[in-house]
Amino acid sequence: DAGVIQSPRHEVTEMGQEVTLRCKPISGHDYLFWYRQTMMRGLELLIYFNNNVPIDDSGMPEDRFSAKMPNASFSTLKIQPSEPRDSAVYFCASSRDRASTDTQYFGPGTRLTVL
Amino acid sequence: GDSVTQMEGPVTLSEEAFLTINCTYTATGYPSLFWYVQYPGEGLQLLLKATKADDKGSNKGFEATYRKETTSFHLEKGSVQVSDSAVYFCALRLINAGGTSYGKLTFGQGTILTVHP
Repeated sequence: DAGVIQSPRHEVTEMGQEVTLRCKPISGHDYLFWYRQTMMRGLELLIYFNNNVPIDDSGMPEDRFSAKMPNASFSTLKIQPSEPRDSAVYFCASSRDRASTDTQYFGPGTRLTVL
Repeated sequence: GDSVTQMEGPVTLSEEAFLTINCTYTATGYPSLFWYVQYPGEGLQLLLKATKADDKGSNKGFEATYRKETTSFHLEKGSVQVSDSAVYFCALRLINAGGTSYGKLTFGQGTILTVHP
């Protein structure tokens, strides 16, 4: 299995620009999660999907952030317009089901720098 | 709310030393507990997990025991190697009374471990 795939691995952009991060979960996994990692706040859950439907988006910081999952094999996290404080590493993770023993598998992350 | 607290780092050890990273939690429900490891430039990988009280998770020489009475899940390794240098995250995941998980992982702040030869 290829694992969770994220692209791009690194993104440098200027303030005000739109940024789109992409994720391909592990095939057969029904849950997809987007996390953000910063030195100040650690790892934060932004949003998660079950069977392509957003379940909990309470961690999305503000309206500039949006996430979609048009099908079972693809999700995007979009920031528009981007700001320097959005600079972080963004991780996507997927898991098979809701069982308490289930493992979330993380992608390698996208390091975003907003100048 | 639910939370995980880890011992503050960074932790610096010599090779073959004993490692303990403390983790305590607060949860409104009955959680499963996890340790994840993040190597430089990589995503998080599951290291071990435990789903009920007194369970011991183990992997790659690391161990942690789910202690409900002290709400703790401390990570230990008897003899660390340079290759163990990484960031370690303790996390919890709630399950409801029906035994199915809500899915959301709550992480501690992470502990940086550096092992010198």
